[in-house]
Amino acid sequence: DTGVSQNPRHKITKRGQNVTFRCDPISEHNRLYWYRQTLGQGPEFLTYFQNEAQLEKSRLLSDRFSAERPKGSFSTLEIQRTEQGDSAMYLCASSFGLAGEEEQYFGPGTRLTVT
Amino acid sequence: QKEVEQDPGPLSVPEGAIVSLNCTYSNSAFQYFMWYRQYSRKGPELLMYTYSSGNKEDGRFTAQVDKSSKYISLFIRDSQPSDSATYLCAMSRPGGYQKVTFGTGTKLQVIP
Repeated sequence: DTGVSQNPRHKITKRGQNVTFRCDPISEHNRLYWYRQTLGQGPEFLTYFQNEAQLEKSRLLSDRFSAERPKGSFSTLEIQRTEQGDSAMYLCASSFGLAGEEEQYFGPGTRLTVT
Repeated sequence: QKEVEQDPGPLSVPEGAIVSLNCTYSNSAFQYFMWYRQYSRKGPELLMYTYSSGNKEDGRFTAQVDKSSKYISLFIRDSQPSDSATYLCAMSRPGGYQKVTFGTGTKLQVIP
């Protein structure tokens, strides 16, 4: 296992369609994060899982967004009824968190384009 | 006002120069400080992680944190064309999980 992987790397979809992204974290990592990054901006936090439990969701995550992490392994992020404003890079990060210091390692991202 | 402010650049330097990248922050609750490097259309790569004031060195990179001034820096010595990327400062609060707050990133170009 060489790092966090994300699929697909690119997704082009038409407005109104649903899309789903997958993230496979580093195998021993218990924490998983989703971020969104738009052009010229830093990543913005979307949601966080510890094992299979989703413990926080940003207000950026509207009702059209849902994330899961079944069995505390891989995670999926689904966007329903996509809008042009959803076009962004969706980044997944994982870490092994107990307390205190926690280094987050990012995947390559999924670039979404909504036409 | 954003919690983390970072000059977006771009910053262009000749090969071999010393590069200084900086961020300021407003929230004194931030205790962990990171620098990530991001190449075009790639995910961020963790370069430096520190939680105390002072300097931390790793090869050609030195991270500096001044909590009293709420100011962090990243220095790159002997810069190389391969250092050309966007550098993101990031920080988080202690306790529980770490929701990282990023700066906007500074785009660096090292000219051969």
